[in-house]
Amino acid sequence: DTEVTQTPKHLVMGMTNKKSLKCEQHMGHRAMYWYKQKAKKPPELMFVYSYEKLSINESVPSRFSPECPNSSLLNLHLHALQPEDSALYLCASSQGLAGGQEQYFGPGTRLTVT
Amino acid sequence: GDSVTQMEGPVTLSEEAFLTINCTYTATGYPSLFWYVQYPGEGLQLLLKATKADDKGSNKGFEATYRKETTSFHLEKGSVQVSDSAVYFCALSDVNTNAGKSTFGDGTTLTVKP
Repeated sequence: DTEVTQTPKHLVMGMTNKKSLKCEQHMGHRAMYWYKQKAKKPPELMFVYSYEKLSINESVPSRFSPECPNSSLLNLHLHALQPEDSALYLCASSQGLAGGQEQYFGPGTRLTVT
Repeated sequence: GDSVTQMEGPVTLSEEAFLTINCTYTATGYPSLFWYVQYPGEGLQLLLKATKADDKGSNKGFEATYRKETTSFHLEKGSVQVSDSAVYFCALSDVNTNAGKSTFGDGTTLTVKP
């Protein structure tokens, strides 16, 4: 199984809402990532988890809060977002954090903030 | 720091035409190189990879050769199909880093017309 799954596929939320994005992989990968992708742009790294511990936070605003409950699951909690946060949010995983490894991406959650 | 430069798009071709998408890189270490493809409404998928100089990655009729002397990893396909219409991202991951970061090019949009 080389699949990364993400739910929901689409999400519309107001600026005062709290919502969560979920990501799951069953490949035994120990590194998981959140990316933000705007239209016609490459993915921008937000967070990296390694062995369920936060390894990298790319100076992401605190209205985005990641969580890694176990080695297969990654959540992104959203609160008080801004319209400019509307984007495709991609989850990815890799075997580990060692450089040179490919990443496996999920299909993404299309987020619209109204 | 590391960087990836892709030829600007969009690229429009007729079915069965030959495809080349240029990619050059700058890296301080010894990168692995990747091509990812993103079909409309989907996440990124690994298309092919190469981990050392002169390696050729290939998949689904696409090929790319790791050229250290020209710091290039150009994507080619001999005969494109309408189903190849997508955005293509060249990326690198430095084997000497443990951060798990990948560096992506800006992406090249390919449209294949019947």
